Amino acid sequence: DGGITQSPKYLFRKEGQNVTLSCEQNLNHDAMYWYRQDPGQGLRLIYYSQIVNDFQKGDIAEGYSVSREKKESFPLTVTSAQKNPTAFYLCASQDSYNSPLHFGNGTRLTVT
Amino acid sequence: DQQVKQNSPSLSVQEGRISILNCDYTNSMFDYFLWYKKYPAEGPTFLISISSIKDKNEDGRFTVFLNKSAKHLSLHIVPSQPGDSAVYFCAASARGSARQLTFGSGTQLTVLP
Repeated sequence: DGGITQSPKYLFRKEGQNVTLSCEQNLNHDAMYWYRQDPGQGLRLIYYSQIVNDFQKGDIAEGYSVSREKKESFPLTVTSAQKNPTAFYLCASQDSYNSPLHFGNGTRLTVT
Repeated sequence: DQQVKQNSPSLSVQEGRISILNCDYTNSMFDYFLWYKKYPAEGPTFLISISSIKDKNEDGRFTVFLNKSAKHLSLHIVPSQPGDSAVYFCAASARGSARQLTFGSGTQLTVLP
C-alpha cells in the first residue's frame, strides 16, 4: 500500500538537543511538506519541497532545518534554536498542483 | 493574522441530523478550498474540495458550499453518523507557484448516538 510513514510516533528529548523526524513516502509524489500542530491551532507550514534538492521556508521555519536528497525522503531536524519544540509534527506529500495533500500519521515530540 | 478562521471550536449533533461546519477567510486571493477530517493521533485525511469557480460541490453525505462575496464556506454532513466524530479543518490556497495551504484551527464534531 502506498503512503507516508513518519517515525517514530512519539519522541522525547532533552532541551538543547537537536532531533530529526523521519518522513518517507512511496507515492512517487514530487512535493513534500512539514506542518506543525499545536492545541487549538491549525496546521502551520514549516518547510516544503517541490523537487529533490530544493526546499523553501514556510511560515514558521525558524529553528528547523530540512533536506531533500531523495524523492522519497524529507527529514525534519528540530534544532536547539527552536524555542517551543514540543508539538505534533505532520509530514505530507502532494501528487500535482492543486491536488489534495496526503498526510502521515504524525510524530509527537516532547522536549523537557 | 488568521487568514482562515473556524470560529466554533466544537459542535455536537444528534445522529441522523445535519452537521454544519463553518469557515471564514480573509484573503481574496484564495481560490481553492478543502476540508480535512482528523482523528486523534492520526494525520488529516482529505474529505472534499471546491474551486472558486463553483459554489457547491457534493460527494455522498458531504456537501461544501462556497459564498465568495461573504468569504465563507461551509461543510454539510447529512445524515451525521457517530463515525463522523472528529476534528474538521478547512484549508485554502491561492493561485501561485507553491499552492501552500493555510489551515483553520479546526472544529471538533461530536455525533451523539
